[in-house]
Amino acid sequence: DAKTTQPPSMDCAEGRAANLPCNHSTISGNEYVYWYRQIHSQGPQYIIHGLKNNETNEMASLIITEDRKSSTLILPHATLRDTAVYYCIVHRDDKIIFGKGTRLHILP
Amino acid sequence: DGGITQSPKYLFRKEGQNVTLSCEQNLNHDAMYWYRQDPGQGLRLIYYSQIVNDFQKGDIAEGYSVSREKKESFPLTVTSAQKNPTAFYLCASSIYWGANQPQHFGDGTRLSIL
Repeated sequence: DAKTTQPPSMDCAEGRAANLPCNHSTISGNEYVYWYRQIHSQGPQYIIHGLKNNETNEMASLIITEDRKSSTLILPHATLRDTAVYYCIVHRDDKIIFGKGTRLHILP
Repeated sequence: DGGITQSPKYLFRKEGQNVTLSCEQNLNHDAMYWYRQDPGQGLRLIYYSQIVNDFQKGDIAEGYSVSREKKESFPLTVTSAQKNPTAFYLCASSIYWGANQPQHFGDGTRLSIL
């Protein structure tokens, strides 16, 4: 089963871009990369997902390397409300695996 | 507003009692899921349902049971056989089952066994 590796924590200055890395070196061709975030004591919130191509929506951008072994979530202009635990997960039809995530601290 | 409602937010039960956690969605989603989260950990899949009247075991189904008699409802029962039931339980849904479908989560139920 594909697993993900993320740094346990990161800091980012308010107003700057937050770049959160994720390693998924054992990902299979039919597995999607997803990003969710969880603010304390709430349910996770979907951010973005992709298979091969880079993706962008109103919240973030997802950059997936050509070999698909790693990806980066980019929050273009971080605010204090972006402080949360960010989960990078791989999802195939019959399996979804959440790791421990990256705790992102936005510094004023 | 459409969404997923989990109730209650906090639940306390005595050891040895079964307890049922409620999950209701008005998103008209086919697939529903139950996860368990322990402090400082990621989510682990307990059960999932691809469609009404169907459900499958996830990674940690032992000591839990579910039913899916209605599309909008997917209750989880934590039985006395679950050795360490104190945890944060999250319910989710997606339009249909599949890797290309984002999941929408409720705000969870925190279960404490006294």
